Amino acid sequence: GAVVSQHPSWVICKSGTSVKIECRSLDFQATTMFWYRQFPKQSLMLMATSNEGSKATYEQGVEKDKFLINHASLTLSTLTVTSAHPEDSSFYICSAATSGRDTDTQYFGPGTRLTVL
Amino acid sequence: RKEVEQDPGPFNVPEGATVAFNCTYSNSASQSFFWYRQDCRKEPKLLMSVYSSGNEDGRFTAQLNRASQYISLLIRDSKLSDSATYLCVVNGNTGFQKLVFGTGTRLLVSP
Repeated sequence: GAVVSQHPSWVICKSGTSVKIECRSLDFQATTMFWYRQFPKQSLMLMATSNEGSKATYEQGVEKDKFLINHASLTLSTLTVTSAHPEDSSFYICSAATSGRDTDTQYFGPGTRLTVL
Repeated sequence: RKEVEQDPGPFNVPEGATVAFNCTYSNSASQSFFWYRQDCRKEPKLLMSVYSSGNEDGRFTAQLNRASQYISLLIRDSKLSDSATYLCVVNGNTGFQKLVFGTGTRLLVSP
């Protein structure tokens, strides 16, 4: 159980375009979803936390107007990278958490590798 | 100072060896601690939670020293399949607080 999917698994786009990444919890309802970014040889860095039906909370240094997060349902959150530039090329990973006994457990999606040309 | 610090390695060990990783964290209010495993170009996967009393799962043993603010992971009888990057992860208070990841320690197990 506790499967999280991401789509697409990889994407290559031109500079200036927008890219949408979907994160779905397949077999549970995720009250909270997290978006992380990982550059090569670096640690995962939390970008934002989103709760279903409310605005996302962004970490310091993450531009909310550039990284649009929508958490419209308990099973789906989307991250849109607007006007992508080569420096946005990274590995984007979502995770989902649910209320209940395992409140500290986050279930990670397989990640989306974004390459901006 | 980084919130979670790890030796990046790589640790090169032969099959069957015992290897230990340490990690230090800066937030003394941290409540939850984990070791994750990340394979190349994949998402991190939870290896084990770390409890104050220490815990063991097969060949893996995790220890927590709150006074010194460090966490350790011991792998016995290393397998080739253990080759990966091991991430030390710390949570703030209980609940949906953010996970803070270390940069990871790379382990290479050779035949």
